[in-house]
Amino acid sequence: QSVLTQPPSVSAAPGQKVTISCSGGSSNIGNNYVSWYQQLPGAAPRLLIYDNNKRPSGIPDRFSGSKSGTSATLGITGLQTGDEADYYCGTWDSSLNVGVFGTGTQVTVL
Amino acid sequence: EVQLEESGGDLVQPGGSLRLSCSASGFTLTSYTMHWVRQAPGKGLEWVSYISSYSHTRYYADSVKGRFTISRDNAKNSLYLQMNSLRAEDTAVYYCARGFCSSASCSSLDSWGQGTLVIVSS
Repeated sequence: QSVLTQPPSVSAAPGQKVTISCSGGSSNIGNNYVSWYQQLPGAAPRLLIYDNNKRPSGIPDRFSGSKSGTSATLGITGLQTGDEADYYCGTWDSSLNVGVFGTGTQVTVL
Repeated sequence: EVQLEESGGDLVQPGGSLRLSCSASGFTLTSYTMHWVRQAPGKGLEWVSYISSYSHTRYYADSVKGRFTISRDNAKNSLYLQMNSLRAEDTAVYYCARGFCSSASCSSLDSWGQGTLVIVSS
C-alpha cells in the first residue's frame, strides 16, 4: 500500500519540462531523505535521485530533485522520447520502520 | 560491474510456499543492506522487506509480516526470501535491491535485479 501520493500521469512536448510531485507525511518524507526511480517499459527500476537532490554517476543533469516539508518534486528538463517511463518516489518511514514508495507517475512525451 | 540476479519464481497454489534467491556479484555483499521489492502486474512498486548487513535487523511490510522471511548468506553472496502461506495478492515480480548509504542517509536502492515472477493461482 502506497503512502506517498503522486499524480498518475504528466506529459509535455519534446524539449519541454515536467515536474512530478510526491506528497507524504512527517514520519516519511518529513524526516527522511527522498529518492526517485525511473522504470522504463519492461525494465527494472533505476535510481535517478538520492538524498532529495543528488544524482548517481551517469544520470544526466536534466533530472533534478527537491524537497520541502512533507513533499518532494522531480523535475525533468529537455524532455526526450527516451524519458517515457514510470517514475516513483521512495523513502523510509521512521515510525513504521518500512520502506515506502509513491503511487507512480507515467511520463508521456507528446 | 554490480549485478543482482533473482531466481526461484514460479506458479504456486494458494497456501503454498516458495523460496526466492538473489545472487550478487561485482561487490562485497557484507558491506550493504539488502531489500526485496515487488510489483504486481500493471501496478506500482511495493517495498517488501529489509535486512541489515549481518542479519541483525529485519523489517517487513505489514502485508507479508508473519508469512515471509528474509535472510542472507554473505559467504555465498546471496539473499533469500522465504514465502509461506502465499495468497493470490502476492502475485508479482519480485526484485532484490541493494541499499545505498551516502554520507547523509541510507534510504536509497541503487542497484536492482531484473526480477523473478511469482504467480499464486489454483
